Amino acid sequence: QQKVQQSPESLIVPEGGMASLNCTFSDRNSQYFWWYRQHSGEGPKALMSIFSNGDKKEGRFTAHLNKASLYVSLHIKDSQPSDSALYFCAVTSRNMGYKLTFGTGTSLLVDP
Amino acid sequence: NAGVIQTPRHKVTGKGQEATLWCEPISGHSAVFWYRQTIVQGLEFLTYFRNQAPIDDSGMPKERFSAQMPNQSHSTLKIQSTQPQDSAVYLCASRGQGANYAEQFFGPGTRLTVL
Repeated sequence: QQKVQQSPESLIVPEGGMASLNCTFSDRNSQYFWWYRQHSGEGPKALMSIFSNGDKKEGRFTAHLNKASLYVSLHIKDSQPSDSALYFCAVTSRNMGYKLTFGTGTSLLVDP
Repeated sequence: NAGVIQTPRHKVTGKGQEATLWCEPISGHSAVFWYRQTIVQGLEFLTYFRNQAPIDDSGMPKERFSAQMPNQSHSTLKIQSTQPQDSAVYLCASRGQGANYAEQFFGPGTRLTVL
């Protein structure tokens, strides 16, 4: 069964700083990776996806995927107080029936 | 576009009572998912419908939990004889007609508290 672990559990960064979130997964057949963000009292919202090894940049957000190392990460540049939220990586594949398996989550606080 | 609508937003039940949670997916979306979120277990998949047909209920507790999608505009999750351990935020998500790995759009959730 797929296990998705995230680190750190919580993270505090100064406004304008860089936040780095890590995610490891156990199933080598994993194909599709998402980062979701959840603000308090809301449902998760997709930030970005990454499906191929390497880096993918969208604005201040950069995702990195290394399927061989079973690792995906998210880096947030120039962090803003509005980035304070729970961040989840989510993994899916055809053999998982395309349902999402979520990681354990990282709580990010951006200190103004 | 109102997004995924979930009602009620909060529900309090007594132990042993029934709870029915409602989800209205985004219009035109073909897949509906239910997840449960707790501090201890995190976000867990419960069940999934595509074009109203049940596809995967592997995450559903076999007793007391059931889900239906009687039409394309809503899905329900019913919990019979609720227990304190059922207390959680229940999240509904929908996905469009595109790829199966496409983005899932989540509703705000229903917070269920079982006393």
